[in-house]
Amino acid sequence: GQQVMQIPQYQHVQEGEDFTTYCNSSTTLSNIQWYKQRPGGHPVFLIQLVKSGEVKKQKRLTFQFGEAKKNSSLHITATQTTDVGTYFCASGGSQGNLIFGKGTKLSVKP
Amino acid sequence: EAGVVQSPRYKIIEKKQPVAFWCNPISGHNTLYWYRQNLGQGPELLIRYENEEAVDDSQLPKDRFSAERLKGVDSTLKIQPAELGDSAVYLCASSLHGSLNTEAFFGQGTRLTVV
Repeated sequence: GQQVMQIPQYQHVQEGEDFTTYCNSSTTLSNIQWYKQRPGGHPVFLIQLVKSGEVKKQKRLTFQFGEAKKNSSLHITATQTTDVGTYFCASGGSQGNLIFGKGTKLSVKP
Repeated sequence: EAGVVQSPRYKIIEKKQPVAFWCNPISGHNTLYWYRQNLGQGPELLIRYENEEAVDDSQLPKDRFSAERLKGVDSTLKIQPAELGDSAVYLCASSLHGSLNTEAFFGQGTRLTVV
């Protein structure tokens, strides 16, 4: 079945440094969604990518969907303490199930 | 607009006891998901409803877990009897049209502790 693998599992950065998390699948994905979960909170939708090679930006966040639609990345420029949390990619399969990766936990040192 | 509402927020029970979680999705959302999230892990899908129909319950441990979504709105998830390994956060999410991969909105979750 559909599965997405995320790396790294943890990332510790100094405030102001950049951060990237990667999401990979062995199968072609129909789309990829990204969520952020703050400590003690619930996942919150960030964005959805659908097209091959798609790139979307939200302020300091840049999301990419690979040409083969088997991988995706989230890049944060100049991290801030408010970026702390766990970032999940989720695959919305053709049957509608939303399957999450294990997430990348980001900590930011001020 | 009200978000996804779950209750209770916290529940502590002894093993072998039953427990139930309740979810009220966003009005008009056809798709409802139940997830289980263990500490440090991603949400694990247990069951997905399209309106009142459970379209995928392949990951639901059916020997002890059951779920229902009467009238295609509210949903309950039950565990009977609970085991120590069931301790986790149970998240409910809803989506306008999950089959079309619309975004999912999550509730605050119910943190279950089985002692």
